[in-house]
Amino acid sequence: KAGVTQTPRYLIKTRGQQVTLSCSPISGHRSVSWYQQTPGQGLQFLFEYFSETQRNKGNFPGRFSGRQFSNSRSEMNVSTLELGDSALYLCASSLASGRSTDTQYFGPGTRLTVL
Amino acid sequence: GQSLEQPSEVTAVEGAIVQINCTYQTSGFYGLSWYQQHDGGAPTFLSYNALDGLEETGRFSSFLSRSDSYGYLLLQELQMKDSASYFCAVRGLEGGSYIPTFGRGTSLIVHP
Repeated sequence: KAGVTQTPRYLIKTRGQQVTLSCSPISGHRSVSWYQQTPGQGLQFLFEYFSETQRNKGNFPGRFSGRQFSNSRSEMNVSTLELGDSALYLCASSLASGRSTDTQYFGPGTRLTVL
Repeated sequence: GQSLEQPSEVTAVEGAIVQINCTYQTSGFYGLSWYQQHDGGAPTFLSYNALDGLEETGRFSSFLSRSDSYGYLLLQELQMKDSASYFCAVRGLEGGSYIPTFGRGTSLIVHP
């Protein structure tokens, strides 16, 4: 079974631009979560989608948004990029949502650099 | 809010046993997970404890004590490939959402 895939793997943007990252979960998984990983803050939860609905949301500004499609693929968007948005963005998929979602399978991540 | 504490670094020699501790504070505890991440790689799920006690999966074991808000990951017969960062994570209820929170990670260095 293919793993979680994320595109693109690397991205360089400038301040003020916007970016869209894509994630394809493992076949059959309906939950997709997004995380931001930085050396300073560690791994932080952005949001989770299940069956095209946002189920859980972390403490990030509204510039960070996402969506999920009927085939469970997900995208996240960051608008008005700031230097501090430079990070590794990880997507994780799982079978279920909510409190039972503790076996997550992570993709390789998208390394975003904001100049 | 939720918080987790784990040591920043642990070193050990090949073939030894090492324990990585994790203490947590959370509301509405729903389980403790462990992940491994090699440099440049993605986190990989290792184990999940929802109830007190020890869970064993091959060379790795994970323990949970809910009354002490404490857990640990035990790695036996250490191999060089076990050199990686290890994260504990909890999922708790915060602001109406089930938020997974990760520790800052423990860097395990295995020496020959």
